[in-house]
Amino acid sequence: GAGVSQSPSNKVTEKGKDVELRCDPISGHTALYWYRQSLGQGLEFLIYFQGNSAPDKSGLPSDRFSAERTGGSVSTLTIQRTQQEDSAVYLCASSPRGGTYNSPLHFGNGTRLTVT
Amino acid sequence: ELKVEQNPLFLSMQEGKNYTIYCNYSTTSDRLYWYRQDPGKSLESLFVLLSNGAVKQEGRLMASLDTKARLSTLHITAAVHDLSATYFCAVGPNAGNNRKLIWGLGTSLAVNP
Repeated sequence: GAGVSQSPSNKVTEKGKDVELRCDPISGHTALYWYRQSLGQGLEFLIYFQGNSAPDKSGLPSDRFSAERTGGSVSTLTIQRTQQEDSAVYLCASSPRGGTYNSPLHFGNGTRLTVT
Repeated sequence: ELKVEQNPLFLSMQEGKNYTIYCNYSTTSDRLYWYRQDPGKSLESLFVLLSNGAVKQEGRLMASLDTKARLSTLHITAAVHDLSATYFCAVGPNAGNNRKLIWGLGTSLAVNP
């Protein structure tokens, strides 16, 4: 597609349920990032994938969060046993190469997650 | 630890006026990005600033970087309503990889007729 695609755009779930968020990066982009944006906050880095390298998971806030990227393309962010503090907008971004010094990130529209 | 501060966080201005948004960061960096976000939309890359003294302009927006002062500015000239959005700066402490970009909280700009 022309841009980074995320689904669903909105997700309302009950506390304790698991959710899966999907990201389709721009075709040919080898680097993929997940960020979280809470109301009134900046962007919080969650996880980074680059090609076939092991992902950088250093930003995941707890072991309830996990992500995978299949075939170097589509990525899924999974949150288990959701809590109210997980409510936020989850943004996915891709770039041509993670190591390129000046490549900007291309962002999707995000998934707004509300945990009730 | 790298910290990034933007100010102001909220800005309401009249069309035709000029204003500057500031982005201060706390440790050495020579890589700074400005992004725009419209409500419910993606973040859109505006400028990439890579060296001290870098200045880039696009339409009514001009961004500059002073690495010695650890300061970037986003200057708005003769504002128009279409510029209403949230503007973020992001700073990377290390060369070569975007993953550790630290983001400011954003400046919510409203341009009023």
